[in-house]
Amino acid sequence: QKEVEQNSGPLSVPEGAIASLNCTYSDRGSQSFFWYRQYSGKSPELIMFIYSNGDKEDGRFTAQLNKASQYVSLLIRDSQPSDSATYLCAVNMDQGAQKLVFGQGTRLTINP
Amino acid sequence: NAGVMQNPRHLVRRRGQEARLRCSPMKGHSHVYWYRQLPEEGLKFMVYLQKENIIDESGMPKERFSAEFPKEGPSILRIQQVVRGDSAAYFCASSPRDSPTDTQYFGPGTRLTVL
Repeated sequence: QKEVEQNSGPLSVPEGAIASLNCTYSDRGSQSFFWYRQYSGKSPELIMFIYSNGDKEDGRFTAQLNKASQYVSLLIRDSQPSDSATYLCAVNMDQGAQKLVFGQGTRLTINP
Repeated sequence: NAGVMQNPRHLVRRRGQEARLRCSPMKGHSHVYWYRQLPEEGLKFMVYLQKENIIDESGMPKERFSAEFPKEGPSILRIQQVVRGDSAAYFCASSPRDSPTDTQYFGPGTRLTVL
């Protein structure tokens, strides 16, 4: 069973601090990794994607990938109350296939 | 610049009825994916389609569920003889190609309630 694991939270972070969200995956051959944000009752919205080991930065967001440890993380700098949402880690595990395997999501709350 | 469109946004059915969910991909996208999100659970892949072809239906329940993406018109996810356990949010996503690195963009979802 190919799996993606996330801490379901809730994760509570004060406004202005760094929020760190973690995700592990079971398939060593996984190729591409995505972070989606989902507000309550809404659809997933792409935040970042990463394919190569290392860090990838986009504004206040940084994705980190370590394929040897099968670990991907998302850092949110200068957290804002509007960042409060559930963050979904998604992994494309099958070469040539297109289905994303999602983690359960981490519920993040930014406290003003 | 329309995104992925789904309708209806909310659908109420009684047990035993049929539910039809529709999805129009983003302009220029020819690959469609359906996911289901049960209450308080993560998204689960159901099926991947290209025009007139089902590419991967490994996540579809074996009975009562079917999907199509005809040459003309939207993709349809059909659930026959619905049961209460089918109550969930059904999301459609689309991508421009079949590369594993392609991003999938999600529609607003159809929230199905079975009474």
